Amino acid sequence: GQQVMQIPQYQHVQEGEDFTTYCNSSTTLSNIQWYKQRPGGHPVFLIQLVKSGEVKKQKRLTFQFGEAKKNSSLHITATQTTDVGTYFCAGGNDYKLSFGAGTTVTVRA
Amino acid sequence: DTGVSQNPRHKITKRGQNVTFRCDPISEHNRLYWYRQTLGQGPEFLTYFQNEAQLEKSRLLSDRFSAERPKGSFSTLEIQRTEQGDSAMYLCASSFGIGTGDGYTFGSGTRLTVV
Repeated sequence: GQQVMQIPQYQHVQEGEDFTTYCNSSTTLSNIQWYKQRPGGHPVFLIQLVKSGEVKKQKRLTFQFGEAKKNSSLHITATQTTDVGTYFCAGGNDYKLSFGAGTTVTVRA
Repeated sequence: DTGVSQNPRHKITKRGQNVTFRCDPISEHNRLYWYRQTLGQGPEFLTYFQNEAQLEKSRLLSDRFSAERPKGSFSTLEIQRTEQGDSAMYLCASSFGIGTGDGYTFGSGTRLTVV
């Protein structure tokens, strides 16, 4: 079955620095979604990417879908304490998403 | 509409007991999903409804698990003869569908502890 792997599992970032988290699939994905889960909270939808090579930006967050539609990345610039949480990528077909294990981000002030 | 609502928020039960969770999705969404999440892991797909029809059920779901969505509105997830391995956060989500560009809206979950 479809598997989505994320690296790194943990990311400790100095406030103000940039970082990137990566998502890789064993199969070609029809789309990829990114979610953020704050500590003690539930996953919250951030964005969906559908097209090969697609890049989307949300303020300090840049999302990219690979040309082969088997990988994706999330880049955060100028990290803030509000960026703390676990970021999940999820790849799926029309009705079912398979989530990665997430990248848990902590921020040093 | 205040989003996806799940009840109860927490449930502690003794091994062998039956439990039932309820999910009220966003009313405009025709798709409803159940996921299970354990500590340090991403959500795992359990089952999916389009309107009242249950269209897919994960192999993770043993015969002890059953889900319903009568009349395509709220949904219930029942676990019979609970085991300690069933302890997890059970998340419900709803959506219009992936093709619309909108993602899932998750509820706050029901945390199950089997003792």
